[in-house]
Amino acid sequence: QKEVEQNSGPLSVPEGAIASLNCTYSDRGSQSFFWYRQYSGKSPELIMSIYSNGDKEDGRFTAQLNKASQYVSLLIRDSQPSDSATYLCAVNMDTGRRALTFGSGTRLQVQP
Amino acid sequence: EPEVTQTPSHQVTQMGQEVILRCVPISNHLYFYWYRQILGQKVEFLVSFYNNEISEKSEIFDDQFSVERPDGSNFTLKIRSTKLEDSAMYFCASLAGGVEQFFGPGTRLTVL
Repeated sequence: QKEVEQNSGPLSVPEGAIASLNCTYSDRGSQSFFWYRQYSGKSPELIMSIYSNGDKEDGRFTAQLNKASQYVSLLIRDSQPSDSATYLCAVNMDTGRRALTFGSGTRLQVQP
Repeated sequence: EPEVTQTPSHQVTQMGQEVILRCVPISNHLYFYWYRQILGQKVEFLVSFYNNEISEKSEIFDDQFSVERPDGSNFTLKIRSTKLEDSAMYFCASLAGGVEQFFGPGTRLTVL
C-alpha cells in the first residue's frame, strides 16, 4: 500500500514564527511532491511543488525534499493568522500516471 | 486567472438516485481528474481522463461511476445509484502538460 503520512496536528505557532510541516512517503519511485493548503470546507489550493532534492523557495514558503529519506517538508516563515488551515502533502507515485496520493493533512493554527 | 469551475456547489439526493456532477476545466488543460473527500478524511483519487478516455482509475471508481466529456468544455462525473457512503466533497482537477493539478471549488454531495 503506497502511503503518504503526515502528523494531523494541530500545530500551533505564534504569529511571526516559522511553521514546519513534515511528510513522509512510502514509494521510492515517487517523482513529484506538492503542498496544498485547504481551508475548512474549501478545495485544495496548490502552494508549492518540488521535484528535486534540496530546497525550493517561493515568498514565505520553502519546500524541502530528501528522496533518500523519503521526506518532504514545508516551512512557512513569518506565519500569519491567515495561514491557519490544513496543509496537505501530495505525491505523484508513478511516473506519467499523474494521479496524486494525499496525506491526511496537518492542521496549522497561527495564534495572533 | 483561469479557474476550474464546478456545478452545483451542493447536491442533495435520495439513496438510489442518479447524480451528475459537472466541471469546466481550465481551457488549455489536457488531463482531467475527479477526487473525493469524505468529511474528516483524506482526499482520494477516483479517475483521470485524457484524450477522451479514462487513463487511470482507483478501486473506488466501480461500475456505478462513469465520466464523460460531452463537449469541448464540460467534464462530468455520473453516479448511477447513489449510496449513503457516496456523501462527500467531489473535486474536479485539471492539468496542462506538466504535473501541477489545479482543483475546482468542489461539489458537496449529500445522500439521504
